[in-house]
Amino acid sequence: DAKTTQPNSMESNEEEPVHLPCNHSTISGTDYIHWYRQLPSQGPEYVIHGLTSNVNNRMASLAIAEDRKSSTLILHRATLRDAAVYYCIRNAGGTSYGKLTFGQGTILTVHP
Amino acid sequence: ETGVTQSPTHLIKTRGQQVTLRCSSQSGHNTVSWYQQALGQGPQFIFQYYREEENGRGNFPPRFSGLQFPNYSSELNVNALELDDSALYLCASSEIPLRGRGGYTFGSGTRLTVV
Repeated sequence: DAKTTQPNSMESNEEEPVHLPCNHSTISGTDYIHWYRQLPSQGPEYVIHGLTSNVNNRMASLAIAEDRKSSTLILHRATLRDAAVYYCIRNAGGTSYGKLTFGQGTILTVHP
Repeated sequence: ETGVTQSPTHLIKTRGQQVTLRCSSQSGHNTVSWYQQALGQGPQFIFQYYREEENGRGNFPPRFSGLQFPNYSSELNVNALELDDSALYLCASSEIPLRGRGGYTFGSGTRLTVV
């Protein structure tokens, strides 16, 4: 019941912006959108999350469509260390807050 | 912040045996969740503990059980191990019930191999 759709893979060049899309057309009004990334041989790493408004932090920006049926994770300047699997996750919050339903994610390759 | 630490990092067990995996939550976090990640797949939610009680469970059989201790550390126990239990087991902690604030901090996992 992941209910998010992401491209299997994307490629980017170093120091260029990367836009990772995610579709969540059945999202409910109270679901948060979370993004995590996972480097090889490591646990997932929290990147960013949001509800309705666009969000920025030191790692990335999250642009959420007005109808909330899609979102885009933006890495402003990709580095080789950003090569990872990126997961877009709906999270119900409340008592279900801990249940993150991971899909297959997007494998991001960054070229030097 | 000390982060989430898991032990052991690697483990080999025989089918039918029992295993206990351990997790120390990040300082200040009161919630811990456990995930199973098979090779090439995304992590699958096993269960969550909040204030020492199970607070949500995924589609895993009862032979997967857990504990959370007063210091918010946690254990995952798996009985009657099967070959399909071979996976990376991840522990994640957070502070709730401040809904939606921040994210989960994951450990690096325990790689369990069942032979």
